[in-house]
Amino acid sequence: NAGVTQTPKFRVLKTGQSMTLLCAQDMNHEYMYWYRQDPGMGLRLIHYSVGEGTTAKGEVPDGYNVSRLKKQNFLLGLESAAPSQTSVYFCASSYNGDQYNEQFFGPGTRLTVL
Amino acid sequence: DAKTTQPPSMDCAEGRAANLPCNHSTISGNEYVYWYRQIHSQGPQYIIHGLKNNETNEMASLIITEDRKSSTLILPHATLRDTAVYYCIVRSMNYGGSQGNLIFGKGTKLSVKP
Repeated sequence: NAGVTQTPKFRVLKTGQSMTLLCAQDMNHEYMYWYRQDPGMGLRLIHYSVGEGTTAKGEVPDGYNVSRLKKQNFLLGLESAAPSQTSVYFCASSYNGDQYNEQFFGPGTRLTVL
Repeated sequence: DAKTTQPPSMDCAEGRAANLPCNHSTISGNEYVYWYRQIHSQGPQYIIHGLKNNETNEMASLIITEDRKSSTLILPHATLRDTAVYYCIVRSMNYGGSQGNLIFGKGTKLSVKP
């Protein structure tokens, strides 16, 4: 199993450009999450999904949109990138949300917005 | 905001036990204590979690005080590969909605030295 994979690994955008980050998991997990991590900080939840076709806002959702059209994929979109969105983005998944099911994280995407 | 307080950094000699403290004085009865770690530039990795009893797995031991206001993660024989940021997280056992989401603080940067 590949676990959680993220595409791309690195990206540089200019202010105002758009892009989509792809997260894929092959563990048949119901829950998926998108986090961002800024230097010296812990991870902050952007959006999450508790199943195919459902999404919900996390702690810092502004400027991002998400879609979960297929159970194995969770897409994070930036419609008009801003320098404040320069960050490392991590995707995670879990079997469900209960206390016995850990979150598995991907390797991250480093995004720079100029 | 994170519900936990951790020292920003700690050192440990290779081969010795690493004891990482965490204060969670406002923890409620339906909240678990989780530990994750993040090795440089990688996604976080689950270590262990517990409610009120001490827990042990192949990676670590978790000691929770009787009043549940603090806990200690113990790595029994630290190696250089254990150098990472360790996050102590309090998480509700009620999943569904946002109650079960992980809220990361800044963690403790553990440096294992030869």
